[in-house]
Amino acid sequence: GAGVSQSPSNKVTEKGKDVELRCDPISGHTALYWYRQRLGQGLEFLIYFQGNSAPDKSGLPSDRFSAERTGESVSTLTIQRTQQEDSAVYLCASSLPSSQPQHFGDGTRLSIL
Amino acid sequence: GESVGLHLPTLSVQEGDNSIINCAYSNSASDYFIWYKQESGKGPQFIIDIRSNMDKRQGQRVTVLLNKTVKHLSLQIAATQPGDSAVYFCAEKDYGQNFVFGPGTRLSVLP
Repeated sequence: GAGVSQSPSNKVTEKGKDVELRCDPISGHTALYWYRQRLGQGLEFLIYFQGNSAPDKSGLPSDRFSAERTGESVSTLTIQRTQQEDSAVYLCASSLPSSQPQHFGDGTRLSIL
Repeated sequence: GESVGLHLPTLSVQEGDNSIINCAYSNSASDYFIWYKQESGKGPQFIIDIRSNMDKRQGQRVTVLLNKTVKHLSLQIAATQPGDSAVYFCAEKDYGQNFVFGPGTRLSVLP
């Protein structure tokens, strides 16, 4: 069965460029989360989508970060005018209603030169 | 590939011994807790969960203990194997719908 799929798996870009990261959740999972994981760190919450409700954007670190989700399917995380401190692994997870275990993708490793 | 958790606390155990990984959580109102295992270059993988109305739950070779009085969670792994080497994270669900993750512990299994 298909798990959470993220693309690209690796992304190297120059400072100042925009990047778009994609997450395909498990079919039927209404909840979708984005996290950032810096090297040697734990997971930092970014944003949460639940069905058609307004997303919880409380974890987004700046207005350069935004995310969209179409219905209960694909989500994209966009980082504009990337900075070197944006270098990290960006993880996506999906679940049934939010008090259920999250299933994670393997992340996108973003490196800003 | 990139390693996760180069500077994390490390627990080293002999193969075949039992491992205990501890986690202190912050919110006394948290009602759901999860342990995840993360191998290098992979996303976190669900191991076991527990709700706040329980104090112990067992899985295959793993046991989670919850002490709400001191806000402490532990993961016990029986007969630790080389394949158990990874970074282990606890997570709590807070007031909202977010999960708050602990800093992680690296488990190294010695031959």
